[in-house]
Amino acid sequence: AQSVTQPDIHITVSEGASLELRCNYSYGATPYLFWYVQSPGQGLQLLLKYFSGDTLVQGIKGFEAEFKRSQSSFNLRKPSVHWSDAAEYFCAVGAPSGGSYIPTFGRGTSLIVHP
Amino acid sequence: DSGVTQTPKHLITATGQRVTLRCSPRSGDLSVYWYQQSLDQGLQFLIQYYNGEERAKGNILERFSAQQFPDLHSELNLSSLELGDSALYFCASSLYLRLEPNDNEQFFGPGTRLTVL
Repeated sequence: AQSVTQPDIHITVSEGASLELRCNYSYGATPYLFWYVQSPGQGLQLLLKYFSGDTLVQGIKGFEAEFKRSQSSFNLRKPSVHWSDAAEYFCAVGAPSGGSYIPTFGRGTSLIVHP
Repeated sequence: DSGVTQTPKHLITATGQRVTLRCSPRSGDLSVYWYQQSLDQGLQFLIQYYNGEERAKGNILERFSAQQFPDLHSELNLSSLELGDSALYFCASSLYLRLEPNDNEQFFGPGTRLTVL
């Protein structure tokens, strides 16, 4: 069975600083990988996804993530954080099933942005 | 706004009761997914429906059931409620084209917060 580990429960950064959120996954085959963001009182919004191809994936809101098969990692990065990026971030691995996928989520990383 | 609607936004009930949560998918989406988000278990997949049929099942308790209706809206029924069922319940929808995984992005609703007292 697949699993996802997000080692950092909380991350605090200053506005304008760079950001990296860590994600490690366990899955026997080539995974579908995702990063979602959840703002307070909101549902999850997809930031980016990796299915195949280029291992550096660009997403919305200036985020990117790099798939490293050798490290079983899919870390999320942003060069300059804005105060509006404060939210909960979830990494997920999806098990392909008949053209769809069922995601398994990590426990999330809460991002705090200081002015 | 993802286009997925969920009602009610909040629900407070007592142990032993039964509740129904409703989800309307985005226009054109055929597949609906239900998730539970709790402090103890995190975000967990419960069940998926596609065009009225159950497609995948996750960690859904026997006290819980779901269905998808001909108009594609879905309901999640929770019965014999326990304190531990208090959680945020999300619905998501996707187009679900069998041969095109890139079209299977799931769009999440804002959730229903269930409190069992």
